[in-house]
Amino acid sequence: AQTVTQSQPEMSVQEAETVTLSCTYDTSESDYYLFWYKQPPSRQMILVIRQEAYKQQNATENRFSVNFQKAAKSFSLKISDSQLGDAAMYFCAYRTQGGSEKLVFGKGTKLTVNP
Amino acid sequence: DGGITQSPKYLFRKEGQNVTLSCEQNLNHDAMYWYRQDPGQGLRLIYYSQIVNDFQKGDIAEGYSVSREKKESFPLTVTSAQKNPTAFYLCASSSRGLGSPLHFGNGTRLTVT
Repeated sequence: AQTVTQSQPEMSVQEAETVTLSCTYDTSESDYYLFWYKQPPSRQMILVIRQEAYKQQNATENRFSVNFQKAAKSFSLKISDSQLGDAAMYFCAYRTQGGSEKLVFGKGTKLTVNP
Repeated sequence: DGGITQSPKYLFRKEGQNVTLSCEQNLNHDAMYWYRQDPGQGLRLIYYSQIVNDFQKGDIAEGYSVSREKKESFPLTVTSAQKNPTAFYLCASSSRGLGSPLHFGNGTRLTVT
């Protein structure tokens, strides 16, 4: 079975500091996409960043960046200059052709930002 | 504005009753999905549809049913056979293609007593 593992159920960071959320996944396919979604208390799912497996360059979106290690099947999310509005559940997910393009999610990491 | 609309936001039902959750999108997306979210469980896929008049079971389809008669609509029925229906339900849609992100509705919180 295809799986996504987020080993940190909860994390906390001081405002303006940097935090890294971990994610590992398991797939035998070579072509896939990886995603990080954010779910604030409103429960609206928001796309944070995505990465194509064929691209070696790590994706970056403003204060959010990823460390994609394909061989290790690792896809961590780094949040720089953390803000109070970054407090949320963060879900790692991936999508493969062999998986019928379904998005498979991890169980999430709850991020708290302390002022 | 384009988006996905789930209704209602909160739904209450008595045990033994079927209930249908609505999901409508005007993004012209081919694919639509239903996920269930429980505390500590992440999002688990119930059903998905990649084209009108076709749908497939996800990981936890037992006790649920869907239809896809129109591209814009993908309603989910929670039947009395679902043993633990109280949960938060999220509908999503996307274009075809691995890189296309899912766009989510605001969710429906179903409580069955």
